[in-house]
Amino acid sequence: EVQLVESGGVVVQPGGSLRLSCVASGFIFDDYAMHWVRQSVGKGLEWVSLVSWDGLKRHYADSVKGRFTISRDNGKNSLYLQMNGLRPEDTALYYCARGSLATTGRIPDSWGQGTLVTVSS
Amino acid sequence: EIVMTQSPATLSVSPGERVTLSCRASQSVSSDLAWFQQKPGQAPRLLIYGASTRATGIPARFSGSGSGTEFTLTIASLQSEDFGFYYCQQCNSWPLTFGQGTKVEIK
Repeated sequence: EVQLVESGGVVVQPGGSLRLSCVASGFIFDDYAMHWVRQSVGKGLEWVSLVSWDGLKRHYADSVKGRFTISRDNGKNSLYLQMNGLRPEDTALYYCARGSLATTGRIPDSWGQGTLVTVSS
Repeated sequence: EIVMTQSPATLSVSPGERVTLSCRASQSVSSDLAWFQQKPGQAPRLLIYGASTRATGIPARFSGSGSGTEFTLTIASLQSEDFGFYYCQQCNSWPLTFGQGTKVEIK
């Protein structure tokens, strides 16, 4: 069974930094691209970032480019999101998701339960 | 970036009815389109990818169609467990983008 468990979400002040983590199990982690997707309370889904299976290719939403960095450690079956220069509009539930092999990783096919980031003074 | 627009925003439906949800892209995404279902308090679930291919374990009452800029998700006969939110997502070009969602509620 695929399991994705996110952690690291806390309350942080505007301008602050935070690193989210996601530990994967139940599949061969380094076969898959991985995503971060976020959702503000009561709002829709917003794609944030993707990293390729080998960590060499990274893509970002325009809203986070230059502030967030996605990375992975295949030896630890872990995905990360380093978030710098946080803004109130970054407040959201952050999901870790596995990229579907059938879509060259571009579509998330399994999701964690999310970790809540709140940016507030 | 490609803007995905879903309609309607809310759909009130009785169990057993046929449901049609629409998703429009601001430019062609070929068949690089997925549909997700999300229930309150739960993570999204992949229903359809490649515009028309059902994901593993998805019932046959769900079907997707379309290409280019116009896409449709059809639920042949709505079941009680199908109520919730539905989102489309394009994966044709970066950044990936979601539609704003359609809420399917009980009539």
